[in-house]
Amino acid sequence: MVMTQSPATLSVSPGQRATLSCRASQSVSSNLAWYQQKRGQAPRLLIYGASTRATGIPARFSGSGSGTEFTLTISSLQSEDFAIYYCQQYKKWPWTFGQGTKVEIK
Amino acid sequence: EVRLVESGGVVVQPGGSLRLSCAASGFTFDDYAMHWVRQAPGKGLEWVSLISWDGSRTYYADSVKGRFTISRDNSKNSLYLDMNSLKPEDTALFYCAKDLDPFWSGSYGPFDSWGQGTLVTVSS
Repeated sequence: MVMTQSPATLSVSPGQRATLSCRASQSVSSNLAWYQQKRGQAPRLLIYGASTRATGIPARFSGSGSGTEFTLTISSLQSEDFAIYYCQQYKKWPWTFGQGTKVEIK
Repeated sequence: EVRLVESGGVVVQPGGSLRLSCAASGFTFDDYAMHWVRQAPGKGLEWVSLISWDGSRTYYADSVKGRFTISRDNSKNSLYLDMNSLKPEDTALFYCAKDLDPFWSGSYGPFDSWGQGTLVTVSS
């Protein structure tokens, strides 16, 4: 199963909204997670079940979608949010990740 | 606090073998499925292998099937990855990661805790 993220790079000003997309090559129902990875750090789980925030994740992060089309929205970008974001399906083997979207400062 | 600490990464020649370890603490290790995920330098994340909470089920990515073996020792709160016939394309930072929910809740994943990784370099 292939996970495709768009765009590859997103340039956003602090305080603005960021919208990231993820498409699955076949339905994954709601078995979709989003991770954030900052330079030199391990990934961190943000969203699972397509729309449930993980423990400790701020409310400015939200996820939506089901089936094959998913969106991660960051409502008001903070300086600490500039990072790479990966989607991942965990519907079935193999547990595939998208190629990532880099959110950079505009 | 959940803590996962990987070790064992070194420089190894093509065709060589290596064992990675992951020491877990801060949670009931034998209740959770565990994964290995790797990241080649400057690249994205690639899931490598999964082992169920009791070790009865294992899964592998096609890219490592037949060469890598995942195992666990619940008495030592430890996860392992035995890697054989290593190739230059196996060069990566290897992370161990923990499943969000205990046992099996209808699917494995997502991964709610990750270690800091151990670097494997395959080069002559």
